[in-house]
Amino acid sequence: GAVVSQHPSWVICKSGTSVKIECRSLDFQATTMFWYRQFPKQSLMLMATSNEGSKATYEQGVEKDKFLINHASLTLSTLTVTSAHPEDSSFYICSATYLLAGSHNEQFFGPGTRLTVL
Amino acid sequence: RKEVEQDPGPFNVPEGATVAFNCTYSNSASQSFFWYRQDCRKEPKLLMSVYSSGNEDGRFTAQLNRASQYISLLIRDSKLSDSATYLCVVNATFGNEKLTFGTGTRLTIIP
Repeated sequence: GAVVSQHPSWVICKSGTSVKIECRSLDFQATTMFWYRQFPKQSLMLMATSNEGSKATYEQGVEKDKFLINHASLTLSTLTVTSAHPEDSSFYICSATYLLAGSHNEQFFGPGTRLTVL
Repeated sequence: RKEVEQDPGPFNVPEGATVAFNCTYSNSASQSFFWYRQDCRKEPKLLMSVYSSGNEDGRFTAQLNRASQYISLLIRDSKLSDSATYLCVVNATFGNEKLTFGTGTRLTIIP
């Protein structure tokens, strides 16, 4: 099956610093990548949809200037949490999909990045 | 009303028993439906897609009722390894990959 990796798997940082999370599709070229956030005992919430070479589409309530997404290639998307604060502590998960005409495309999820902001 | 609603549980079920979860969705135009499984502190993994005709994969059976806008998952002969959180997931628009996740139902299989 398709494999998606994330790096780092966990990170602890001080309040006010920026953190970059990488999402890579290892064995396929992803037409679209998604960034989710999951707080404890809550559902995955979509933050943004990212397509290679174009600006990300952010969900309502997600600050695009705080959560910077760069999708430089068909295999790499990055999420940068700028000026992180304790309330940004969460489990960040990316997923990737490739286009199969005429069908819904399975999203392949990365293993997630656990961010703790002190 | 939430787009996708699930009973959060927890469901504590003895090994070998049958357990069923339901999920309701609010958007009648929803196109695709899935059950995902998520283990503690891990990413979700696709368990199975759900079709109108119902579908079965081993011990797992999924059903979709479009008229009532609910989806079900049945697990037979439950195993200890089935302990996880089961996420009901809906895709609203065909060709749009955006998925909406329920909060999940936590299942613990008891030896």
